Amino acid sequence: NAGVMQNPRHLVRRRGQEARLRCSPMKGHSHVYWYRQLPEEGLKFMVYLQKENIIDESGMPKERFSAEFPKEGPSILRIQQVVRGDSAAYFCASSPRAGGEANYGYTFGSGTRLTVV
Amino acid sequence: AQSVAQPEDQVNVAEGNPLTVKCTYSVSGNPYLFWYVQYPNRGLQFLLKYITGDNLVKGSYGFEAEFNKSQTSFHLKKPSALVSDSALYFCAVRSNQAGTALIFGKGTTLSVSS
Repeated sequence: NAGVMQNPRHLVRRRGQEARLRCSPMKGHSHVYWYRQLPEEGLKFMVYLQKENIIDESGMPKERFSAEFPKEGPSILRIQQVVRGDSAAYFCASSPRAGGEANYGYTFGSGTRLTVV
Repeated sequence: AQSVAQPEDQVNVAEGNPLTVKCTYSVSGNPYLFWYVQYPNRGLQFLLKYITGDNLVKGSYGFEAEFNKSQTSFHLKKPSALVSDSALYFCAVRSNQAGTALIFGKGTTLSVSS
């Protein structure tokens, strides 16, 4: 079991470009959560998805950010027209059912570190 | 709305001394509480959780935490700190209501000196 896989580990984009961050949940997990980590703000919840459904996107910025979790393939967090303030570490977590794995909460990936230049 | 407060940005302790990392929470319904640890340039690793039962929960690497409902706290403790415990620690909470995500505190940097 490979765990939660995120790629790329590091991503550099110029201002105005698009960033695509991928997250493959653990085998058997159908719930995905995206978080953003900024140095002075800790870990901020962004969006919670099930297969083909967005359950809670209350933490997503209203513009430029979108997320999907298709029936097949990884979950994608897309940031359009990136700005320097988007530079952060983006973490994905997965769980087998709503609310998390009973013993371990969520399983986290190693994150994607986005740098906007 | 759910929220978590970690009042200390940094905690410094000497190796061998006891350590406490504080956490208070606010949640509707019964809380599910977690502690995670993050080492530099790594993801988050689960330490321990409180779902129900005994207020004192024991987790990985000798850590424990005590759930105090009246004070809405879930402080992380360890009787004897190690230099290798130095890392960023996150407290997290979610409601027991279905469809809610885990909400994290800002994190506390623990620094253990030899």
